[in-house]
Amino acid sequence: EAQVTQNPRYLITVTGKKLTVTCSQNMNHEYMSWYRQDPGLGLRQIYYSMNVEVTDKGDVPEGYKVSRKEKRNFPLILESPSPNQTSLYFCASSLSLAGVRPGELFFGEGSRLTVL
Amino acid sequence: AQSVTQPDIHITVSEGASLELRCNYSYGATPYLFWYVQSPGQGLQLLLKYFSGDTLVQGIKGFEAEFKRSQSSFNLRKPSVHWSDAAEYFCAVDGQAGTALIFGKGTTLSVSS
Repeated sequence: EAQVTQNPRYLITVTGKKLTVTCSQNMNHEYMSWYRQDPGLGLRQIYYSMNVEVTDKGDVPEGYKVSRKEKRNFPLILESPSPNQTSLYFCASSLSLAGVRPGELFFGEGSRLTVL
Repeated sequence: AQSVTQPDIHITVSEGASLELRCNYSYGATPYLFWYVQSPGQGLQLLLKYFSGDTLVQGIKGFEAEFKRSQSSFNLRKPSVHWSDAAEYFCAVDGQAGTALIFGKGTTLSVSS
């Protein structure tokens, strides 16, 4: 089954304790991205990756890191989480968003993070 | 810069009634437009998309949307709403250069019996 898998789905942590949210896709997609969803603000892009070893900032990258060492995995790293990073996080992937007919963006089920 | 506006934060519709969710976009060229649905506790699922051609596009679950260039709109419609349609709906436009989809802030749909 084609899917984007995120872990953990729920996490409560404390300020400053490093954490990683994993994301894996089994569709051989080149493009991957992280969004955060906050009430009243919709989805905002954190980072994206066009392919292995190619990553770039989205609209709200502060406080986050990513890496793309393999095509299927795109982890989101919070080196020193703060309460304003409490949010619902989504990983997404696509064959490509560029070109004449951009591909569909497939989403994971989300990771709800609470930073105390 | 590209942007998407969904004017209605929350809409309540009676079961069996028709539905229209509004979406306006700002874009410098021909946009690629999408509607996604998010059920509680779930990720986002694509309902339909518009790239070019026929301005009325059909999607899954009985939804359709009409692209109106003159109004910069891409409204989502359904002739008869079911209780299972209660969810949050997001309109999105491609961000050019293939780097992102730009999402609206969403419209929450409640269905009353």
